[in-house]
Amino acid sequence: EDQVTQSPEALRLQEGESSSLNCSYTVSGLRGLFWYRQDPGKGPEFLFTLYSAGEEKEKERLKATLTKKESFLHITAPKPEDSATYLCAVRRNRDDKIIFGKGTRLHILP
Amino acid sequence: GAGVSQSPRYKVAKRGQDVALRCDPISGHVSLFWYQQALGQGPEFLTYFQNEAQLDKSGLPSDRFFAERPEGSVSTLKIQRTQQEDSAVYLCASSFRDRGYNEQFFGPGTRLTVL
Repeated sequence: EDQVTQSPEALRLQEGESSSLNCSYTVSGLRGLFWYRQDPGKGPEFLFTLYSAGEEKEKERLKATLTKKESFLHITAPKPEDSATYLCAVRRNRDDKIIFGKGTRLHILP
Repeated sequence: GAGVSQSPRYKVAKRGQDVALRCDPISGHVSLFWYQQALGQGPEFLTYFQNEAQLDKSGLPSDRFFAERPEGSVSTLKIQRTQQEDSAVYLCASSFRDRGYNEQFFGPGTRLTVL
């Protein structure tokens, strides 16, 4: 069964303390892997799309990487405004469906 | 506005009532998606429209759920005879591409509570 597992479920960091969020996936044919940010009471906001193993993308303090089995979202020197839930999703080849993980709730303490 | 809007933002219904949730996508966007997000979970796909055509409704949990987009812009998700398990946030997303799962723009969602 295709699935997306994110870890940890929740993470508390001090401002400036770098860390990584993990997204492990099993899917029959990956057509793309997405990272979204979701703030409380809002819809997800698109961050990155990755298509193939070895690919990396960066945006401000965030960097996303992809292997054949997992993706990491690296957060460098985070600030309190980076606090949010980060969602990972995969798009599978056979029917174009998108499957989301449960997310990682990130809290950055000032 | 420039973004996807949804209304109402909050809806409380008694068990057995019918509800209608509205989505106004970004003007000109071809693709429109509905998702259901339970508390503490990621969004789950419900249905997909390409313009006015509903091309995929495989995620609708039962025949009590019905969606339409008659003119290829505004969409309505209707839930008949609501049940407590229908309580969730219903998200709408649009994209300018056909089958535009990449770079979907999400609305703020409608939080449905069924008592």
